[in-house]
Amino acid sequence: QVKLLQSGAELVKPGASVKLSCKTSGFTFSTSYMSWLKQVPGPSIEWIGWIYAGDGGTNYNQKFKGKATLTVDKSSSTAYMDLSSLTSEDAAVYFCARGPIGFAYWGQGTLVTVSS
Amino acid sequence: DIVMTQAPLSVSVTPGESASISCRSSKSLLHSNGITYVYWYLQKPGKSPQLLIYRMSNLASGVPDRFSGSGSETDFTLKISRVEAEDVGIYYCGQLLENPPTFGGGTKLELK
Repeated sequence: QVKLLQSGAELVKPGASVKLSCKTSGFTFSTSYMSWLKQVPGPSIEWIGWIYAGDGGTNYNQKFKGKATLTVDKSSSTAYMDLSSLTSEDAAVYFCARGPIGFAYWGQGTLVTVSS
Repeated sequence: DIVMTQAPLSVSVTPGESASISCRSSKSLLHSNGITYVYWYLQKPGKSPQLLIYRMSNLASGVPDRFSGSGSETDFTLKISRVEAEDVGIYYCGQLLENPPTFGGGTKLELK
């Protein structure tokens, strides 16, 4: 069955960067889109962007351009998201999800805490 | 960006009764292909969101038929018949018609 396994919680200092991972199984990763979403207490969900694993093509929410960078490793069926220059505004739970839309499958989420 | 507005913020339901959650979009979600791109998700406590309804009225795989979605071009309703304990959580509507996809603020369903 489809599985999306995300990396563990991160505690990062303001100004630092962090790389989150999403290891997938149960479907053909190399021809799939992977999306990333952000959830903060409120609650609210924001779509960050997607990446097409086939050619690495990306589509970002304008709000997250310069903040998030999406990449994939087809050899390990893993999607990655780099978050740069972290501030308190970036503290959230980040989810990966399969697909450019619909999001029928989600990872379990990675909590990112930003603190000195 | 398209704004999705949900109501109410929370709803308390007696098990076995029905519940309805409303969602309104700031513009029409009806595509020229005839499909309305509104989706519903449930996030159970401590879990990831799960897809319930896609394209306004289609039940996602494995979702009980107690859930149903309906609506027009800008006003949408998720109905839960015969609410059960496992239905507790936060419900979100989302629009996936335009970039960026956007979501409502959520409706919390609790049991009486």
